[in-house]
Amino acid sequence: DGGITQSPKYLFRKEGQNVTLSCEQNLNHDAMYWYRQDPGQGLRLIYYSQIVNDFQKGDIAEGYSVSREKKESFPLTVTSAQKNPTAFYLCASSTWSFQETQYFGPGTRLLVL
Amino acid sequence: SQQGEEDPQALSIQEGENATMNCSYKTSINNLQWYRQNSGRGLVHLILIRSNEREKHSGRLRVTLDTSKKSSSLLITASRAADTASYFCATIIQGAQKLVFGQGTRLTINP
Repeated sequence: DGGITQSPKYLFRKEGQNVTLSCEQNLNHDAMYWYRQDPGQGLRLIYYSQIVNDFQKGDIAEGYSVSREKKESFPLTVTSAQKNPTAFYLCASSTWSFQETQYFGPGTRLLVL
Repeated sequence: SQQGEEDPQALSIQEGENATMNCSYKTSINNLQWYRQNSGRGLVHLILIRSNEREKHSGRLRVTLDTSKKSSSLLITASRAADTASYFCATIIQGAQKLVFGQGTRLTINP
């Protein structure tokens, strides 16, 4: 069953804590993306990666970090520097570039305690 | 401001009616995509239309693109309760390395 999985579904962060959101795909896609969605809003790009061991900042990268050690995995860390992390986080992938259809995971909702 | 802006922000119709949503954008694009999002879920791709295309169909969906007016529309015919969702347009700006999403149209189909 091919697709993108994200875990956990819900994540709670304490002040000053770093948390990591998981994103895995078995579609053999080269490109992967992280988006943030706030209530009633569209998606904003945090980071993207078009190849293993390489990634680029999106529009709102401050307070976030990523890694791309394996083609199928693109974890996102929300660091303590991100002062307003409460949001819905969506991971996506595409065959090789933004020009193509993106396939989304089910999302992780991050809440601050 | 957003590259793509949907109109209306919210739309409520009766089951069986047609639903039309519009998307306007500001700069030249390579392609425009429409996505659907059910509440609290990920996005699902509906249709991709390239800048040299004027219309595309997929089942009950019809998308048009008017590059002279920098606008696109999504028509859902014979709506069903399961069509209740938010619909987003997303554009690839020429020369940019990102897909830019609008704020979405929230569609409610009443039984």
